[in-house]
Amino acid sequence: DAGVIQSPRHEVTEMGQEVTLRCKPISGHNSLFWYRQTMMRGLELLIYFNNNVPIDDSGMPEDRFSAKMPNASFSTLKIQPSEPRDSAVYFCASRRGVVVGSYNEQFFGPGTRLTVL
Amino acid sequence: KQEVTQIPAALSVPEGENLVLNCSFTDSAIYNLQWFRQDPGKGLTSLLLIQSSQREQTSGRLNASLDKSSGRSTLYIAASQPGDSATYLCAVGVLSEKLVFGKGTKLTVNP
Repeated sequence: DAGVIQSPRHEVTEMGQEVTLRCKPISGHNSLFWYRQTMMRGLELLIYFNNNVPIDDSGMPEDRFSAKMPNASFSTLKIQPSEPRDSAVYFCASRRGVVVGSYNEQFFGPGTRLTVL
Repeated sequence: KQEVTQIPAALSVPEGENLVLNCSFTDSAIYNLQWFRQDPGKGLTSLLLIQSSQREQTSGRLNASLDKSSGRSTLYIAASQPGDSATYLCAVGVLSEKLVFGKGTKLTVNP
């Protein structure tokens, strides 16, 4: 299995530009998570999906952030417009089960390092 | 609100030493606890997952324990090697199915 795939691996953009991050979860996994990692705040959950449906987006910092999962094998995280404080590493993770209480381990992608100038 | 703390923030040991990394959490209502390893510039690799009904899990030289009542977990690494150098993250699975992460312990094993 190829694992969780993220693209691009690095993104440098200017303030105000739109940024789209992409994720392909592990085949057969039903849950997908987007995280952000910064030195100050560590790893924070932004949003997660079960069976392509957004379940909890309370971690999304503001309306400039949006995420979609049009099918079981693809998700995007979009920032529009981007700001320097959005600079961070964004991780996507996937998990097999969706039943509450039967928690399976999450598998992480390599991350996208975003720099907003 | 669940908070996860890892102490120490950084640890440097000579090769061959046995060591313990600590993780504490404020709310004992967890589904499980997961230990990850993160290498510089890389993603997270899952090391061990302990369900809330379990006390410990072992994988090779790694052993993780869980004490829900006291809100603590430890990751024991036996006979440390330079290749073990990385940041180790502890994360608890909470009722809303989220993972709440600690800030990690940066481990350096010196040859």
